[in-house]
Amino acid sequence: GAGVSQSPSNKVTEKGKDVELRCDPISGHTALYWYRQSLGQGLEFLIYFQGNSAPDKSGLPSDRFSAERTGGSVSTLTIQRTQQEDSAVYLCASSPGGHFNQPQHFGDGTRLSIL
Amino acid sequence: DQQVKQNSPSLSVQEGRISILNCDYSNSMFDYFLWYKKYPAEGPTFLISISSIKDKNEDGRFTVFLNKSAKHLSLHIVPSQPGDSAVYFCAARYGGATNKLIFGTGTLLAVQP
Repeated sequence: GAGVSQSPSNKVTEKGKDVELRCDPISGHTALYWYRQSLGQGLEFLIYFQGNSAPDKSGLPSDRFSAERTGGSVSTLTIQRTQQEDSAVYLCASSPGGHFNQPQHFGDGTRLSIL
Repeated sequence: DQQVKQNSPSLSVQEGRISILNCDYSNSMFDYFLWYKKYPAEGPTFLISISSIKDKNEDGRFTVFLNKSAKHLSLHIVPSQPGDSAVYFCAARYGGATNKLIFGTGTLLAVQP
């Protein structure tokens, strides 16, 4: 497809389980971002990948959160030992390059619910 | 400490009139500002942006104004249409090596027919 694709669109899991969220960026985009939106809040930055550079992980809320990007394309966000406060919409975005005035284009997100 | 603030959680406007959405920021290191529009159950859609070296950018019905001395950003929609009803997010980017965006909490715009 032409846009950013995220899967699954919805995920319900029990507290303490691990979850993996997937993001397929727009083809050719070298920059990839993860954000999350909790209920009634704005988007909160989590992590940023740019090409082969070390990712900016400054937004990850705890060491239970990790992300990787394989082959410079698909990214997976992993949350270990999920807690109820992890419930949110997790949004992925991509852009053509990391250091130019190019807007980030978002997928439709994964709605994560922790029971 | 919220670095990007949208103090109006909601705004209601009549069709055909002007909608003005406001955003304030506190960090003078921001060098690029964006507005996104979001419908329920969809991701944010890029609307318009402005570099910190400019004070105005226009695209069709949408104009963004930047007042750096006041650290204030506004989005004008003229004329407003019912299809513009959505949540609008203001976002700002740090200059330098990072490209992460800092978002406001959003303003829900309702355009009444």
